[in-house]
Amino acid sequence: DAGVTQSPTHLIKTRGQQVTLRCSPKSGHDTVSWYQQALGQGPQFIFQYYEEEERQRGNFPDRFSGHQFPNYSSELNVNALLLGDSALYLCASSSDIDNAGLAGGWWEQFFGPGTRLTVL
Amino acid sequence: GENVEQHPSTLSVQEGDSAVIKCTYSDSASNYFPWYKQELGKRPQLIIDIRSNVGEKKDQRIAVTLNKTAKHFSLHITETQPEDSAVYFCAASFGTALIFGKGTTLSVSS
Repeated sequence: DAGVTQSPTHLIKTRGQQVTLRCSPKSGHDTVSWYQQALGQGPQFIFQYYEEEERQRGNFPDRFSGHQFPNYSSELNVNALLLGDSALYLCASSSDIDNAGLAGGWWEQFFGPGTRLTVL
Repeated sequence: GENVEQHPSTLSVQEGDSAVIKCTYSDSASNYFPWYKQELGKRPQLIIDIRSNVGEKKDQRIAVTLNKTAKHFSLHITETQPEDSAVYFCAASFGTALIFGKGTTLSVSS
C-alpha cells in the first residue's frame, strides 16, 4: 500500500520564476492538503482540495494556486517566486470518511516526504 | 485569527524521565487535536490524536489530555528513550484544515 508521494524531492528556482509541485495521495484517500514549512517552524496551511475543488484556503496570496485531478492527485503552483518562498512544501492526504465510516476523517492527515524549494 | 501556541520550544530530559509538551488554541470550534513527530529531514508522522468528546487518550508510553474549557491540550511521554528525540508539533482543527504550533525540540540523553 503506497503512502503519500511527492515530486520532485528538491528544486532550485530564481526569483520571478514559476514552479509546479506534485502530490499523489495514499491509496483510498480523496483529500489533499498543502502546507509550507519554513526552517524551524511548524507547517502552515496553504489550501485543501476535495472533489477537484479548493475547499479551504489559508492566508497565502493568489500567487499560490492548485489543482486536483480525477485520480485525487494534486498540484501546487507558485507564480512570481520570492526569496521568502524558500521552504519545504508538504502535502498531506486524508479521507473524508474516517475508519468508523463517519464524516470528519479529513483531519487525520498523513504527510508526504515534501519538496524542498530553494529560491535564489 | 486562529492560532496554536506551543511550549516549551526546547526540552531536554534524561532517558527514563517523562516529558510534557503543552499547547493552547484560539478557535473554540476546534474538534480535533493531533500530535506529529518529525525527525530531522523526514516527514511529520502522526503519533496520537484526540477528539473533543474525549478528555484523555493513551497509546503505550504516549498520552494526550484535552481541556476544552481552558482550550489547552498536552502530550505526555513516559519512560523516554533516545529514539524519542525529535521535533514534536501539536495542531488543532480549523474547518477541515489543521493549524500547527511552532514545535518542540525534544532531546533525550542516555
